[in-house]
Amino acid sequence: EAGVAQSPRYKIIEKRQSVAFWCNPISGHATLYWYQQILGQGPKLLIQFQNNGVVDDSQLPKDRFSAERLKGVDSTLKIQPAKLEDSAVYLCASSLVSTSNYGYTFGSGTRLTVV
Amino acid sequence: LAKTTQPISMDSYEGQEVNITCSHNNIATNDYITWYQQFPSQGPRFIIQGYKTKVTNEVASLFIPADRKSSTLSLPRVSLSDTAVYYCLVGFMDSNYQLIWGAGTKLIIKP
Repeated sequence: EAGVAQSPRYKIIEKRQSVAFWCNPISGHATLYWYQQILGQGPKLLIQFQNNGVVDDSQLPKDRFSAERLKGVDSTLKIQPAKLEDSAVYLCASSLVSTSNYGYTFGSGTRLTVV
Repeated sequence: LAKTTQPISMDSYEGQEVNITCSHNNIATNDYITWYQQFPSQGPRFIIQGYKTKVTNEVASLFIPADRKSSTLSLPRVSLSDTAVYYCLVGFMDSNYQLIWGAGTKLIIKP
């Protein structure tokens, strides 16, 4: 079974620039999550999709962050404009709906450095 | 939402059994307990999940007492490659349930 694919692996941008991250979840996983993980901290949920609908985006800074999930499969997360404090690893995860047995499957993440 | 408390760090030696305890005093009736492992530059990886008593798989065991207010992840005969951060989460992986991730326990295995 292929895992969760994310790209790029690394990105360095200047503050006020824009950046986009891409995620391809495991085939058949209806639920997709974007997390932000700052160095030394646990992941923080930014947004959760169920198919192509948003379930929870309460912690997404909507003035600069946006996300979409077209056709209920791939997803993109965009930051515009970026701030220094956005430097973090952005993790994508997916899961089957209504399962309590196997948790989430995470991708390897995109490490963003804003300078 | 149930919050968990874990030690910030632990050290052990190769070949030893390591037990990491997590406190979750306000666990709800339908909450599951899930542990993840994270290596540097990788996303967290699911290790084990349980609801009560004991669960064992090929990599770990999870012990949950009757009151479910704590749980213990047990790693048998650790090796250097078990050096990682371990996260304990409490919640139900349903479509509208948000899990809160703490800082985890940084486990360092020494030779």
